[in-house]
Amino acid sequence: GESVGLHLPTLSVQEGDNSIINCAYSNSASDYFIWYKQESGKGPQFIIDIRSNMDKRQGQRVTVLLNKTVKHLSLQIAATQPGDSAVYFCAEFRGGSYIPTFGRGTSLIVHP
Amino acid sequence: DGGITQSPKYLFRKEGQNVTLSCEQNLNHDAMYWYRQDPGQGLRLIYYSQIVNDFQKGDIAEGYSVSREKKESFPLTVTSAQKNPTAFYLCASSLGLGGPDIQYFGAGTRLSVL
Repeated sequence: GESVGLHLPTLSVQEGDNSIINCAYSNSASDYFIWYKQESGKGPQFIIDIRSNMDKRQGQRVTVLLNKTVKHLSLQIAATQPGDSAVYFCAEFRGGSYIPTFGRGTSLIVHP
Repeated sequence: DGGITQSPKYLFRKEGQNVTLSCEQNLNHDAMYWYRQDPGQGLRLIYYSQIVNDFQKGDIAEGYSVSREKKESFPLTVTSAQKNPTAFYLCASSLGLGGPDIQYFGAGTRLSVL
């Protein structure tokens, strides 16, 4: 489950493993979702997005899955590398709004 | 090299002082945003602007002010009324199509109180 306060949920994996990072969103009217990666001390970087008329979208080494029934989003990273170590968070856009709501994030730690 | 530039990277504020964080973009984006990030929390929206000379308050606007005199620039002033300003501040921009769109972020400014 999620930690509270200053501590983010953490996922520790070995280099070469596949990683799955999850995000539960709150509003069934949300129709657009983005995954961001944020390295320590830097701004968030866009990874991949998905609209609600899709269940799955693939990028380079990443796949986003959307389950609208349970309001769940996941980011799968294949063959995780040490450079993937970062905080990953999802953003949801509610019903055509251009202002997103951001999740707290999950810290991914990749061990060489 | 296109992108969003925030400056300074680190900023220190004395009690009672106003400080201004700079955000410049050369992406030709109409919309710009300011967020505050505290440890272990999601991004919280301070102010946003969809077009030059117009801006709206976000969820935590109290103690902050902005201006949007040029398309490329969206400076944020942290006023003395903001009693807990220590945080990581992020500026973002998007095309501003009026609907949901990818926001691109700067590298951030870390503000601390002396």
